[in-house]
Amino acid sequence: ETGVTQSPTHLIKTRGQQVTLRCSSQSGHNTVSWYQQALGQGPQFIFQYYREEENGRGNFPPRFSGLQFPNYSSELNVNALELDDSALYLCASSAVTGVTGELFFGEGSRLTVL
Amino acid sequence: AQTVTQSQPEMSVQEAETVTLSCTYDTSENNYYLFWYKQPPSRQMILVIRQEAYKQQNATENRFSVNFQKAAKSFSLKISDSQLGDTAMYFCAFVNGSSNTGKLIFGQGTTLQVKP
Repeated sequence: ETGVTQSPTHLIKTRGQQVTLRCSSQSGHNTVSWYQQALGQGPQFIFQYYREEENGRGNFPPRFSGLQFPNYSSELNVNALELDDSALYLCASSAVTGVTGELFFGEGSRLTVL
Repeated sequence: AQTVTQSQPEMSVQEAETVTLSCTYDTSENNYYLFWYKQPPSRQMILVIRQEAYKQQNATENRFSVNFQKAAKSFSLKISDSQLGDTAMYFCAFVNGSSNTGKLIFGQGTTLQVKP
């Protein structure tokens, strides 16, 4: 059984650029959630995708957007990068939406914005 | 809005001893779930233990147990017989039971160091 994998693991961008982060969900999981974890803080929910549609969104501006593909892998896109976007971005997959679906996390993509 | 507070940024414990991590939360909901997650350095976050608010019995998973005080809105994690592999950041998290996304609300985390 393949776990959740994320790429790239580390990347550096400059302010104003755009970034795409990728996530492959665990086998059999159709739901992907994205979280932002600033240094020394707990993760914050960005959004969730279920069957290729956005299923819920946290308090993040529209420049944070996502996609989910038919194989349930997902992308997180961030436009017009700001310094405060520097964080660890975590992807988590689950077999179902809602509270009964245990989340399985990837190792994260660490983004540094200069 | 729901909030989760972990008031201990860092803790340490000697190997084989017992340590308790604290967590308080605030909600007006009656149906919710509480979790403790472990995030080892540069490794995936994994679920340690889960508690349903409607259950009075405290959850237990091997060396990990919780003390769930619903009236006080307190949810502490006890690690018995601490092992070096328990060194990690620990997050307390809350989910509204009626959430259609299972959105987790995390505390700020407690870094636990287990010393040999």
